[in-house]
Amino acid sequence: EVQLVESGGGLVQPGGSLRLSCAASGFIFSSYEMNWVRQAPGKGLEWVSYISSSGNTIFYADSVKGRFTISRDNSKNSLYLQMNSLRAEDTAVYYCARETLGCFGDCYDYWGQGTLVTVSS
Amino acid sequence: QSALTQPASVSGSPGQSITISCTGTSSDVGGYNSVSWYQHHPDKAPKLMIYEVSNRPSGVSNRFSGSKSGNTASLTISGLQAEDEADYYCSSYTSDSTRFYVFGTGTKVSVL
Repeated sequence: EVQLVESGGGLVQPGGSLRLSCAASGFIFSSYEMNWVRQAPGKGLEWVSYISSSGNTIFYADSVKGRFTISRDNSKNSLYLQMNSLRAEDTAVYYCARETLGCFGDCYDYWGQGTLVTVSS
Repeated sequence: QSALTQPASVSGSPGQSITISCTGTSSDVGGYNSVSWYQHHPDKAPKLMIYEVSNRPSGVSNRFSGSKSGNTASLTISGLQAEDEADYYCSSYTSDSTRFYVFGTGTKVSVL
């Protein structure tokens, strides 16, 4: 069974840092492109970052570029999001999502349950 | 940075058909056959309903169908059921340099 389990969320002060993790199981993690998607309270979904299966290709939304870093460790079946210089507007539930193999577009066929990040003093 | 435009809400009675639109530009919806649709119930993970404009993943009811014309994609739900009540989001690859993928603004579907 495919599972994605996020962890690392919590309350952090503005300007602080947090590292999210996404533990994958039930599939060959190293074969899949992965993403982080977030949803602020009462708002819609927002794409945050993409990483290729090898980790060699990475993209970020402008809203997080220069502050967030996506990475993966295929030997540990894990995806990460290092978040620095956090702002109140980064408050959201953060989801890791797997892209369907061979699909053009995001095609997120599996999502984690999400982890809540709250940025507040 | 603009999200794809969706109506805020759409409603219908059980058994009816409804259509949700998703309007973008030639840099995203109109330029690529990469539109996906997601169903999102509160406190649950989103679920992929349609990919590559009109393809249904295994296990998704054939009551859900997708299409595209120009810069606007559409999701049609036929034979509306109570469990279809949820938020729906479209998404697309984009050649906009500010991002890689873009979501729609989201549509709340209510079953009357």
